[in-house]
Amino acid sequence: DQQVKQNSPSLSVQEGRISILNCDYTNSMFDYFLWYKKYPAEGPTFLISISSIKDKNEDGRFTVFLNKSAKHLSLHIVPSQPGDSAVYFCAASWGGSEKLVFGKGTKLTVNP
Amino acid sequence: GAVVSQHPSWVICKSGTSVKIECRSLDFQATTMFWYRQFPKQSLMLMATSNEGSKATYEQGVEKDKFLINHASLTLSTLTVTSAHPEDSSFYICSATLGPYNEQFFGPGTRLTVL
Repeated sequence: DQQVKQNSPSLSVQEGRISILNCDYTNSMFDYFLWYKKYPAEGPTFLISISSIKDKNEDGRFTVFLNKSAKHLSLHIVPSQPGDSAVYFCAASWGGSEKLVFGKGTKLTVNP
Repeated sequence: GAVVSQHPSWVICKSGTSVKIECRSLDFQATTMFWYRQFPKQSLMLMATSNEGSKATYEQGVEKDKFLINHASLTLSTLTVTSAHPEDSSFYICSATLGPYNEQFFGPGTRLTVL
């Protein structure tokens, strides 16, 4: 049972436009959400996170939005750059646990 | 800061042999390290939680006698795949936690291919 779902396996965006990556979760106990970026044959790198007490967190070009009622979060990248091309994983944790539950990832391609 | 390394980055071995993968936190001490496995186009699946000085905690369905984990120091955890078989071929990634929010920093991963 996939508790964290990224339903779009891939997304293609033009350079300079907005990239929106979506993530849904089923476990209402999750209270901390993270986005990781991963290049091929490398480990994921942390991008941005959000606690369930917030509905938005912004860091430079990256903004994460959380809609708890819909159990949905999204990552916005504005403006998108070719170097953003990678696989983006959504992850969730609960109760201060160190364990993370990952989605399957969305491959973002930003075209010049 | 917060760099995690893995060695080797890739390994090819014959079926039936054992392979050891090292995970090191280079510039910080990590009480807890995690081992993940990733199959192509799949999510990272947590295999086990490795705690320094104590036995690892394995996730359901992961054979502890096949995937031996040792966390001998605050900067080193090892994963040994014993009697490897082709179905064990995968990308193995470790992570270490740091900071008040237990942020995980990941190693670059190890590609294991069992012939």
